[in-house]
Amino acid sequence: DVKVTQSSRYLVKRTGEKVFLECVQDMDHENMFWYRQDPGLGLRLIYFSYDVKMKEKGDIPEGYSVSREKKERFSLILESASTNQTSMYLCASSGQDDEQYFGPGTRLTVT
Amino acid sequence: AQSVTQPDIHITVSEGASLELRCNYSYGATPYLFWYVQSPGQGLQLLLKYFSGDTLVQGIKGFEAEFKRSQSSFNLRKPSVHWSDAAEYFCAVVGSNDYKLSFGAGTTVTVRA
Repeated sequence: DVKVTQSSRYLVKRTGEKVFLECVQDMDHENMFWYRQDPGLGLRLIYFSYDVKMKEKGDIPEGYSVSREKKERFSLILESASTNQTSMYLCASSGQDDEQYFGPGTRLTVT
Repeated sequence: AQSVTQPDIHITVSEGASLELRCNYSYGATPYLFWYVQSPGQGLQLLLKYFSGDTLVQGIKGFEAEFKRSQSSFNLRKPSVHWSDAAEYFCAVVGSNDYKLSFGAGTTVTVRA
């Protein structure tokens, strides 16, 4: 069974903290993605990676960075968390057929 | 760049009634189209996808969708909804030479007894 896991389901951080969100997939997929989901806005792409150590900006990369040191792991980093980054964060991976498999999400609250 | 519009933010339907969710896309070439469902507190699950071929696509949980190139639409249907179909539904498109999905804003479906 295909699986994308995210390190935390719920996270509460303070403004200015550095935050790491981890995502691991076990399907040997080349492509991995980070989205944020906000009511009325759907899913918006933050960053994606099509290979190890490769990354590309999505639609809303400001305030975020990513790291992909191994094929199965894709990390999202908030260098200095702000309250407007309170959101649901979803990780996904895809192989050759473009079908994206999603993790359960991390609900991040920044206070 | 591709984009997706889901005109209905919220739909309420009675259990046993039919359901249709609208999706319009904008893309210059042949799109790959997807419908995902998100139950409360869960990640997204793929319902069905269209890449090519037959324009009527069957998915899981009794859902189907029809691709209409002339209308740039990919509407999702289910003949008889169950209470467990209450969820948020997202339409998405990716270009055939791309791997970035563009999502619509989503439609929330409420099922009343």
